[in-house]
Amino acid sequence: DVQLVQSGAEVKKPGESLNISCQTSGYSFTSYWIGWVRQTPGKGLEWMGIISPRGSDSRPSPPFQGHVALSVDTSTRTAHLQWNSLGASDTAMYYCVLLMSPKAPASYWGHGSRVTVST
Amino acid sequence: DIVLTQSPGTLSLSPGDTAFLSCRASQSVVSNYLAWYQQKPGQAPRLLIYAASSRAVDIPDRFSGSGSGTDFTLTISRLEPDDFGLFFCQHYEPSSPWAFGQGTKVEIK
Repeated sequence: DVQLVQSGAEVKKPGESLNISCQTSGYSFTSYWIGWVRQTPGKGLEWMGIISPRGSDSRPSPPFQGHVALSVDTSTRTAHLQWNSLGASDTAMYYCVLLMSPKAPASYWGHGSRVTVST
Repeated sequence: DIVLTQSPGTLSLSPGDTAFLSCRASQSVVSNYLAWYQQKPGQAPRLLIYAASSRAVDIPDRFSGSGSGTDFTLTISRLEPDDFGLFFCQHYEPSSPWAFGQGTKVEIK
């Protein structure tokens, strides 16, 4: 079975850096792109971006460009979402997802990683 | 950018009823790159429909999608207790930043 296991909840202060992860299993790793989706009570679901399975093609969504970095470690089948400087507006639930291609919806979802940014 | 507007905000229905959920796009969604997801409290969304009308794996045929261009509908026939929750549409049109609708809540009357 396809499994996406995300890292645990994080509590950070504004300005701190953060790396959350999504370890995948149960499928041919090069068969799916990986994406990230943010969910907040105020803005609902938002696409953050997608990355190719080998990590060579990263496509952050315009609102998130320059603020987050998407990466993939093919040796561990793990995707990462990184911030250099968090802000309070980054408080959210973050889901990693699998897509069959860059022109496909999210077929599989991780359970989510909750991030809280607060002084 | 394509903006998706879902209606109604909330549907109050009884088991056995049929639900009609609307998703309207601000611009045409080329090639019907439109998906529907269901989310239950405390869970991640799950894919129901892709390409506007194709059911995802293991989704019962009580769920059906229709529409094209700017108007799309998710129909849930013979509602079961497990069908209630929050439903989102999403476009994956390559020429526009991907976006979700704001959601429709289907609740038990």
